[in-house]
Amino acid sequence: QSALTQPPSASGSPGQSVTISCTGTSSDVGGYNYVSWYQHHPGKAPQLIIYEVTKRPSGVPDRFSGAKSGNTASLTVSGLQAEDEADYHCSSYAGSYNFVFGGGTKLTVV
Amino acid sequence: EVQLVESGGGLVKSGGSLRVSCSTSGFTFGAYAMAWLRQAPGKGLEWVGLIRGKAYSGTTEYAASVRGRFTISKDDSKSIAYLQMNSLKTEDTAVYYCTRIRPNIYGDYADFDYWGQGTLVTVSS
Repeated sequence: QSALTQPPSASGSPGQSVTISCTGTSSDVGGYNYVSWYQHHPGKAPQLIIYEVTKRPSGVPDRFSGAKSGNTASLTVSGLQAEDEADYHCSSYAGSYNFVFGGGTKLTVV
Repeated sequence: EVQLVESGGGLVKSGGSLRVSCSTSGFTFGAYAMAWLRQAPGKGLEWVGLIRGKAYSGTTEYAASVRGRFTISKDDSKSIAYLQMNSLKTEDTAVYYCTRIRPNIYGDYADFDYWGQGTLVTVSS
């Protein structure tokens, strides 16, 4: 069982918005502004798409946005596109060089 | 272009050893901390350990689940990181990913900005 809780699946139609939640505790998500999100197309290298809760690395479309409230972080993908279909993983720093992850969410663009 | 390529995965028996490598290019390898993560079949990602950059003498940290069995090292002259896995258990079966730790203005290690495609390690009983 993963330390952070994500829904196993999510879906949306092209152009719609989808939000994926990531729930932890006050020892990880709630305790640090170090939540990150990774997009993983199977067979390819995972890609960092959100770091420090809300920041996007250079080159990541602004359709991807992150937020946090209490012990729950979220990733919103707006204007869904076919290429957004992938697995999404959240992560949080949990102190003392401990990094925790969610179980991953498979996003389907229907 | 930053690239990370893992190699050396394979099938090994429980109690055995295996070393996987991570060849990198496109950045000043010695200046960065590197990490290994893994994903067991049907499970989420798990942090395995990290090795600091040259400025911090390449010291290491490990997850409790692998501490004492796994060792991370690196060769800055070759831009390669290694993960030596000893006393392997069936629960170590996973795809192992090499990642670069994103430099943080506070000097904290918080996320992983480049990843390899992973190498599969299967531990049989």
